[in-house]
Amino acid sequence: AQSVAQPEDQVNVAEGNPLTVKCTYSVSGNPYLFWYVQYPNRGLQFLLKYITGDNLVKGSYGFEAEFNKSQTSFHLKKPSALVSDSALYFCAGYNFNKFYFGSGTKLNVKP
Amino acid sequence: KAGVTQTPRYLIKTRGQQVTLSCSPISGHRSVSWYQQTPGQGLQFLFEYFSETQRNKGNFPGRFSGRQFSNSRSEMNVSTLELGDSALYLCASSPGLVDLGTQYFGPGTRLLVL
Repeated sequence: AQSVAQPEDQVNVAEGNPLTVKCTYSVSGNPYLFWYVQYPNRGLQFLLKYITGDNLVKGSYGFEAEFNKSQTSFHLKKPSALVSDSALYFCAGYNFNKFYFGSGTKLNVKP
Repeated sequence: KAGVTQTPRYLIKTRGQQVTLSCSPISGHRSVSWYQQTPGQGLQFLFEYFSETQRNKGNFPGRFSGRQFSNSRSEMNVSTLELGDSALYLCASSPGLVDLGTQYFGPGTRLLVL
């Protein structure tokens, strides 16, 4: 079965510190991989995607993600967290016209 | 370009009723997907429409149905509502030519079933 896993329900980090939100995937073929962010009472906003090529993908708001095929991972990273980054983050895999979303990770950035 | 819009934003219904939600995609986008978001189940794919045809379907009962009009606007209908249908329903659009590609989400419709 195709799936995307986010092993951490919640990640806590201090403002100014680097952050990592983890994602692993089990999607056949060469899937596209995405990160979305959701703020309270809002829909999901696109952050970045990996299709092919460079394993390090840069996206919106200073976020980047590293694709690792051998570990089937696509972790989201940011060198210096902001309080305003606090939100719910979703990883998604896409193949054959279907999206598979992870369960979401709540990121808390404390001042 | 205007973003994805969903109406209504909030709904309260009682068990057994039916409900229709509406989604207007970004201009030029031909694919519309629907998702159900709940705290316990996360984001679950309902179905996707492309050029008025259902192209993909998730694992939801037949009470959940949808359609897409020639202007790409889409509606989702849930009949015989159950308490467990309370959720945030998200609509997403994409160009959807060869494939879905990047999806752009609307703000959602929050449905409460009493």
